[in-house]
Amino acid sequence: EPEVTQTPSHQVTQMGQEVILRCVPISNHLYFYWYRQILGQKVEFLVSFYNNEISEKSEIFDDQFSVERPDGSNFTLKIRSTKLEDSAMYFCASRWSTGTRETQYFGPGTRLLVL
Amino acid sequence: AQTVTQSQPEMSVQEAETVTLSCTYDTSESDYYLFWYKQPPSRQMILVIRQEAYKQQNATENRFSVNFQKAAKSFSLKISDSQLGDAAMYFCVLTGTASKLTFGTGTRLQVTL
Repeated sequence: EPEVTQTPSHQVTQMGQEVILRCVPISNHLYFYWYRQILGQKVEFLVSFYNNEISEKSEIFDDQFSVERPDGSNFTLKIRSTKLEDSAMYFCASRWSTGTRETQYFGPGTRLLVL
Repeated sequence: AQTVTQSQPEMSVQEAETVTLSCTYDTSESDYYLFWYKQPPSRQMILVIRQEAYKQQNATENRFSVNFQKAAKSFSLKISDSQLGDAAMYFCVLTGTASKLTFGTGTRLQVTL
């Protein structure tokens, strides 16, 4: 069964460093998402991406964040200058439908720790 | 704005018994989907069941079923014949036309022998 994959599974970085989190969505999916979950808190929407552009972003998704689909398979989240509060689990999700709110399939997540 | 409320931070059920997890939501949209996602200790987010708001019939997936009360904006999850592998955090999730998912705070389910 097709699945969303994410790399790395864990990332430790120093405050102020740039990190790139990678996702490979399911191959025929058209919509891509990033969510984050700070430890002990609920899952929060960051950004959605369709047709090579951002379709919606939350207030969390400030200028430090960017997303890209550099080729036909990868979908990346870049954090330019990490802060301690960026420590969280980051989930990528994808769905295929253009007309309905079909199910989003999640990757296993990347656990980011900023020291 | 969409909101999802899960008022039970933790629940416990004995193996083979039935448990119901509660969820209420609020949205101004008439067309939306509701989901229950499960997050085991591995933290992978797994879809359990989904309900289209326009459907009156409650969704069922094997041992999992929902009680969707549209007028009351209530969407509870019933797990029958609970198994040890059902132990996880369960999130009630709402999506509307914007397609982003709005999560509740979660209910941690313990399954005891």
